[in-house]
Amino acid sequence: DIQMTQSPSSVSASVGDRVTITCRASRSISSWLAWYQQKPGKAPTLLIYSASTLQSGVPSRFSGSGSGTDFTLTISSLQPEDFATYYCQQANSFPLTFGGGTKVETK
Amino acid sequence: EVQLVESGGGLVKPGGSLRLSCAASGFTFSNFGMNWVRQAPGKGLEWVSCIDRTSGYIYYTDSVKGRFTISRDNAKNSLYLQMNSLRAEDTAVYYCARAPSSGWYNDYWGQGTLVTVSS
Repeated sequence: DIQMTQSPSSVSASVGDRVTITCRASRSISSWLAWYQQKPGKAPTLLIYSASTLQSGVPSRFSGSGSGTDFTLTISSLQPEDFATYYCQQANSFPLTFGGGTKVETK
Repeated sequence: EVQLVESGGGLVKPGGSLRLSCAASGFTFSNFGMNWVRQAPGKGLEWVSCIDRTSGYIYYTDSVKGRFTISRDNAKNSLYLQMNSLRAEDTAVYYCARAPSSGWYNDYWGQGTLVTVSS
């Protein structure tokens, strides 16, 4: 199974900050990576797929990069509605696996 | 508008069974693969199972193999998860999610249904 390791597990930030979350796969997954946002009590929403493709309707302040084993989600200017937990997911092989999550909190 | 609505969750004793359903609307259900993803209370996301458009390819996470069965009825626009021999560690919110044509991601999610396994 491919293990997905996210870091940090939590980050404290302020509105307007640039926030970067990383995800590392235990072996190469090419660009088969997605990023999701989840708010408390809600289902996750897809932000980015294929490592860097922005899902329709997602603000352009979100961006993704990377390939192989190392990936990054960047929020260029944090907005109040962005405080949430973020997960990466590999879609290279079964079983599909998620990272442990990164909680973006208010500083 | 794409909608996925799960049902069938509830409280069940260890060793018991439940059948989850997911009603899909707003898209051509038969054109998309589907996933079940679960989330234990206060924990992260865990992929459970997937099924392709024609039920020709089905996969499970190891912890549910032999106990859970995924199926779909394209005529009824519905996805199912039959869960047998339930364990306390199966307690979670279960989400159905659509897989886009670009890969086994999850582009639309239901609201989730809570399964609690407890005596």
